[in-house]
Amino acid sequence: GDSVTQMEGPVTLSEEAFLTINCTYTATGYPSLFWYVQYPGEGLQLLLKATKADDKGSNKGFEATYRKETTSFHLEKGSVQVSDSAVYFCALSGGGYQKVTFGTGTKLQVIP
Amino acid sequence: KAGVTQTPRYLIKTRGQQVTLSCSPISGHRSVSWYQQTPGQGLQFLFEYFSETQRNKGNFPGRFSGRQFSNSRSEMNVSTLELGDSALYLCASSLVSGAQTDTQYFGPGTRLTVL
Repeated sequence: GDSVTQMEGPVTLSEEAFLTINCTYTATGYPSLFWYVQYPGEGLQLLLKATKADDKGSNKGFEATYRKETTSFHLEKGSVQVSDSAVYFCALSGGGYQKVTFGTGTKLQVIP
Repeated sequence: KAGVTQTPRYLIKTRGQQVTLSCSPISGHRSVSWYQQTPGQGLQFLFEYFSETQRNKGNFPGRFSGRQFSNSRSEMNVSTLELGDSALYLCASSLVSGAQTDTQYFGPGTRLTVL
């Protein structure tokens, strides 16, 4: 079945550092890929998405490119801020009605 | 436009009781999905409803059930609660049905604690 693998956290970075959170997936066909963010005490918010190979999703300085050849969708940001501290989930939607498969989440802590 | 709302936000129950959680999707959204989030298992898909019909179901026991009303609002019920049911239950709505490119929008969740 479908699966998503994310790098283990927590990730601790200094403000203005470069961020990469790795995500790889296994799916049949051509899934859509998503990054969601969860702030403490809140639900998930869509950060960005890509629906086909070589698409780049971007939002709030975050970017991720759909790489079919490596089945990856790594999240990057050039300069993180303290306000980016949250848990980040990689997810895919590939089969079945609205069945989204999530990774385990990566906690990011940004220190001033 | 109002987001997905879930009630109640917090709930404390004891083992053996049953509980009903409610979700109101974004206006115009007809698909509602439910997820269980726990530290150990992460986010797990429970079920998805569209036009009052359950179209997809995850690997949860029959104690977990749901329904959707004609106005797209959805409820989730857990009977005979167990300690392991303590979790954050998230509801998500989306606009169209069956499109894998569609985006799910999540509510803030209901935090259920079973004592």
